[in-house]
Order: sequence, then structure tokens, then C-alpha cells
Amino acid sequence: NAGVTQTPKFQVLKTGQSMTLQCAQDMNHEYMSWYRQDPGMGLRLIHYSVGAGITDQGEVPNGYNVSRSTTEDFPLRLLSAAPSQTSVYFCASSQAGQGGYNEQFFGPGTRLTVL
Amino acid sequence: RKEVEQDPGPFNVPEGATVAFNCTYSNSASQSFFWYRQDCRKEPKLLMSVYSSGNEDGRFTAQLNRASQYISLLIRDSKLSDSATYLCVVPYSGAGSYQLTFGKGTKLSVIP
Repeated sequence: NAGVTQTPKFQVLKTGQSMTLQCAQDMNHEYMSWYRQDPGMGLRLIHYSVGAGITDQGEVPNGYNVSRSTTEDFPLRLLSAAPSQTSVYFCASSQAGQGGYNEQFFGPGTRLTVL
Repeated sequence: RKEVEQDPGPFNVPEGATVAFNCTYSNSASQSFFWYRQDCRKEPKLLMSVYSSGNEDGRFTAQLNRASQYISLLIRDSKLSDSATYLCVVPYSGAGSYQLTFGKGTKLSVIP
């Protein structure tokens, strides 16, 4: 199994550009989530999904959209990039049922810089 | 927002030393707790889960004190390969789902 994969690994955007960060998992996990990690801060939850067709906001959702059309994929869209969105983005998945209580499997991360 | 606070670190210890990290949490309803390890520029990976008073796995021991709302991680006989950032993670439930609150992490450097 590949586990959780993320693309791209690195990205540089200009302010105002939009883009989609891809996340896929092959473990048939129902629970998927997106985090951002900034220096001096813990990982912060952006959006999460408890199954295909179901998404909800986390702690820092502004400026981001998600959708979950399949169990495997959970893309994160930046609508209009801002320098404050410069960060490392991690996608994670876990088994269903009390998602936060099960082991989270993280992807390798996407390092995004917004100029 | 539920808070999770960790020792600020960094901890610089010699090989073979014993080192302990503490983590305090604010959500008294939390029932399970986790320590994740994150290597430099890598993703976090689960190190240990703590569901009752504590858990031990080889050189690693996690203890839970519910009355004082803190969790500790003890590493005995430190190895160079233990150098990493250790994240304290507390799930909390709300609005019918379960989410995680991550501490900012404690950086450990084991020196020869």
C-alpha cells in the first residue's frame, strides 16, 4: 500500500492565484483531514471529512474549500492565495468510527509558499 | 479551542540519558491521548497511545494523570535516532465528530 500520498511536494504561488492540493489514500479509511503546520504552532485542522460526500470545517477553514467525492481522494482548494497561507500542509486519514481516536496516517506534506 | 501545552524545549541530552516531557491539556472530558513523533521536515507518526493510567513500549513510557490533566513521556537510554520533535495530541469530541488538538511539540536532540 502507498498509504497517504500528497501532490505536489513543493509549490510557489503568487498572491491571488488558486490551486488544488491533492491527497489520496489507499487504506479505505473513511476519516480524512487537512492540517497546516506553521513555525511555533501546532498542527491546526483546516477541514475534515467523515466519509464520501460529508465534509466539515476545522479550526482554520477560511480561504480553503474541500470536497469528498470518493473515499480515496480529499483535495484541498486554495481559492485566492495569500501570503498568510504560506505553510506546510498535511493530509491525514484514519479508520472510521471516532476518527480522532484512531491512529492518524499522515501524508508527506506539501510545502507552499505564497509570494 | 481546547488547549494542549507542552514543555518548550529544546532538550539536548547525551546518549544513554533519560529524558521526560510533560504535556497539559484543558479538556477534562478527554479519554485517550497520543504521542506522535515528527522528524525534521517529515510527517508526524504515531509513537504511543495512552488510554488508561499509562503505557510502556520498550524504552518509552507514557503516563497519564487525569486529576492534574497532564501526560508525560519518558525516554530511557536515549539513542541518537530518538532526535525528533515529540507532539502531544488530545482528541476532543464536538458536534458529532472527533478532532485532534496538537501541542506545539518538544524538540529533542540526543548528542554523542
